[in-house]
Amino acid sequence: GIQVEQSPPDLILQEGANSTLRCNFSDSVNNLQWFHQNPWGQLINLFYIPSGTKQNGRLSATTVATERYSLLYISSSQTTDSGVYFCAVLFGNEKLTFGTGTRLTIIP
Amino acid sequence: GAGVSQSPSNKVTEKGKDVELRCDPISGHTALYWYRQRLGQGLEFLIYFQGNSAPDKSGLPSDRFSAERTGESVSTLTIQRTQQEDSAVYLCASTTGHGQPQHFGDGTRLSIL
Repeated sequence: GIQVEQSPPDLILQEGANSTLRCNFSDSVNNLQWFHQNPWGQLINLFYIPSGTKQNGRLSATTVATERYSLLYISSSQTTDSGVYFCAVLFGNEKLTFGTGTRLTIIP
Repeated sequence: GAGVSQSPSNKVTEKGKDVELRCDPISGHTALYWYRQRLGQGLEFLIYFQGNSAPDKSGLPSDRFSAERTGESVSTLTIQRTQQEDSAVYLCASTTGHGQPQHFGDGTRLSIL
């Protein structure tokens, strides 16, 4: 099956810093989503981005489908950004395959 | 409500009991998905519904797990004769159709004693 790898697995940053999270996938995909799982376990949709670049406030994402990777950028980090960031890809059928996540901790 | 609703939010039960978890998708969403998330891990796909049919049940871990959906709305995930390894958060998502963004509920945290 398709492999989804995220890096780094853990990231600890000072408030105000910028970060880049990476998602590599092993095959062509129909869909790619980035999620933020907050410390209460809620999964929040960040981006639906099978290709191209999107921005939403301090967050932006870029997917280069031909090279099978996506990047999530977080600028001017806040403590509320803490949590686990998941990349998930849709390959062929409807089965969304999740990466193992990047755990982000923002220190005040 | 506007989002995916799951109930109960928490369930604690004894090993060997049956449990039923409920998911109300976003109104008008035809596709519905169940996932399991063990502590500290990513999400595992369990089953997917398109309308009332389940074209992909490949993620169900054993025959103790079953799911149904009626009226292209509510879905229930049933776990029979629960085991301790069933302890996890069970998440439901819905979407308007193939390839569209999936929207998740807050999950049911299941603890088997």
